[in-house]
Amino acid sequence: QKEVEQDPGPLSVPEGAIVSLNCTYSNSAFQYFMWYRQYSRKGPELLMYTYSSGNKEDGRFTAQVDKSSKYISLFIRDSQPSDSATYLCAMSNNTDKLIFGTGTRLQVFP
Amino acid sequence: EAQVTQNPRYLITVTGKKLTVTCSQNMNHEYMSWYRQDPGLGLRQIYYSMNVEVTDKGDVPEGYKVSRKEKRNFPLILESPSPNQTSLYFCASSVGRGQPQHFGDGTRLSIL
Repeated sequence: QKEVEQDPGPLSVPEGAIVSLNCTYSNSAFQYFMWYRQYSRKGPELLMYTYSSGNKEDGRFTAQVDKSSKYISLFIRDSQPSDSATYLCAMSNNTDKLIFGTGTRLQVFP
Repeated sequence: EAQVTQNPRYLITVTGKKLTVTCSQNMNHEYMSWYRQDPGLGLRQIYYSMNVEVTDKGDVPEGYKVSRKEKRNFPLILESPSPNQTSLYFCASSVGRGQPQHFGDGTRLSIL
């Protein structure tokens, strides 16, 4: 079993939709949770960074962590075609390396 | 502007011909890392460095070498490339091993 599982998609939604992206994990020691966005032919860029459980909001993006269920989510409100990208979750216990999900490809069509 | 710079961005070469991919960061980060990204497998760590002259193997180090002689630079060396090393490579840096990493824009290597 992989330490981090992420549905590869693709996920195709109309512009304006609410998008939910998810990852599950098995290591209860993870405390730091990140979401990266990767456009085609570019490197991953950090989108959201949260510590422990709870929610964090930044504009149209909300990151949610449920440590009891070992489940993290990224919500995108009012999705735009420019949100079309691959979204990678990543997590760590701070001292060990980041563990990445394999990424979910999102397409937002006009 | 804070950035991680990789060169070259694209390279097509032949089996056995030594090559080096350079990586440089301007954020004074201590931690640097190399990943390869393959469809369905995600990002896999090749080597990492905690500081100057301190390097260690990641998950897929076979066939690769690295060095860290200066804080800002972390080159990836393929001494005898083989076709199974055809991949998209990313260099990244951060303030610490488990901290958010800043990525370069990638190097697409094709080894024939």
